[in-house]
Amino acid sequence: QVQLVQSGSELEKPGASVKVSCKASGYTFNTYGMSWVRQAPGQGLEWIGWINTKTGLPTYAQGFTGRFVFSLDTSVSTAYLQITSLKAEDTAVYYCARVLRQEVDYWGQGTLVTVSS
Amino acid sequence: QTVVTQEPSLTVSPGGTVTLTCASSIGAVTSGYYPNWFQQKPGQAPRTLIYSISKKYSWTPARFSGSLLGGKAVLTLSGVQPEDEAEYYCLLYYGGAQLGVFGGGTKLTVL
Repeated sequence: QVQLVQSGSELEKPGASVKVSCKASGYTFNTYGMSWVRQAPGQGLEWIGWINTKTGLPTYAQGFTGRFVFSLDTSVSTAYLQITSLKAEDTAVYYCARVLRQEVDYWGQGTLVTVSS
Repeated sequence: QTVVTQEPSLTVSPGGTVTLTCASSIGAVTSGYYPNWFQQKPGQAPRTLIYSISKKYSWTPARFSGSLLGGKAVLTLSGVQPEDEAEYYCLLYYGGAQLGVFGGGTKLTVL
């Protein structure tokens, strides 16, 4: 069965960096893209972007360019989201979600990133 | 900045029918926006219900259906159950179907 298992919660100081992982299983990793979604506490979902797992080409939404970086390690079927120069407003749950063309089907369980001094 | 608008909240009685809508600030929602609908309960990850306007997954209950109506994407719940109380989000694609934008979500109360 398809599973997306994300890394555990992170507590970081402002200005630091964090890298969230999303390990896929139950399907051929490079046949589906991977989207990333943010949800701040008590807020709605925000689409950060997606990465083509066949080519490695990332696409970022407006407002998520520069500090947000997608990467892959196809040898272990894992996608990564790195956030640099963390700010308090980056505090949120980050989700990965499998995507085929414009169809989002399976989701990871979410990773809470807390930015606090 | 493209804005996707949903009703902030709706209330429905058990067994009733409710319609949630998803509008685009650019204009009418068409098939080229590939509307997706998601359900999220407190403390849980979102669950995908509908993709490409009206297509369902194996886990999507039959009482959920998607369509386009009046220039909006629509999610209809028929025969609402207490467990349908949740937040519902739509997702539309722009920029040659490469960029996604979520709606603000609709909090559905079953009362």
